[in-house]
Amino acid sequence: DVVMTQSPLSLSVTLGQPASISCRSSQSLVFSDGSTFLNWFQQRPGQSPRRLIYKVSNRDSGVPDRFSGSGSGTDFTLKISRVEAEDVGVYYCMQGRYWPLTFGGGTKVEIK
Amino acid sequence: EVQLLESGGGLVQPGGSLTLSCAASGFTFSSYAMSWVRQAPGKGLEWVSSISGSGGNTFYADSVKGRFAISRDNSKNTVYVEMSSLRTEDTAVYYCAKADGSPSYGAFDAWGQGTVVTV
Repeated sequence: DVVMTQSPLSLSVTLGQPASISCRSSQSLVFSDGSTFLNWFQQRPGQSPRRLIYKVSNRDSGVPDRFSGSGSGTDFTLKISRVEAEDVGVYYCMQGRYWPLTFGGGTKVEIK
Repeated sequence: EVQLLESGGGLVQPGGSLTLSCAASGFTFSSYAMSWVRQAPGKGLEWVSSISGSGGNTFYADSVKGRFAISRDNSKNTVYVEMSSLRTEDTAVYYCAKADGSPSYGAFDAWGQGTVVTV
């Protein structure tokens, strides 16, 4: 199975400051068509997950542009340029390249 | 607007069975793969099972293979998961998720609100 390793486990950020979450996969996530199937999801407290980023760096509709994704191959990063109160929650990376589909363990973001 | 509404959760004894349903609306259901993802209390997300748009291809996590069966009825815009031989470790919120139509079944662009299964 492809192991998705996220760091840090938790992040305490001052409002308006940037935040960065790392995700590493145990195998390259590049598909035969050149796409890389790496997604980022946000789960706010008490809510269902919501996708923020697909194929490494594409923002979903309605996702604020302070969220950005980057990376390639096996190393990926989610960045929040200026953290707002509504960004509190747990963030998960997930690979959609191989079966079984696997998630990272999650990174909890809180406000300092 | 895409909507996914799960139902069927509840309390079941170990060894028992339960069937979850997910009613979909707001998109051409038969064109998209669907999946179930679960979250044990206080834990992270775990993929459970996926099914292609036609229903002809199904995939399972090892932890549920042989015990869970995913299916869909495209005439009713509903995806199901039949769960049998339930174990205490199957206790979780079960989410239904829609793929976005890309080659990856795991590109979940919509999620339901979840249904709670307690074993």
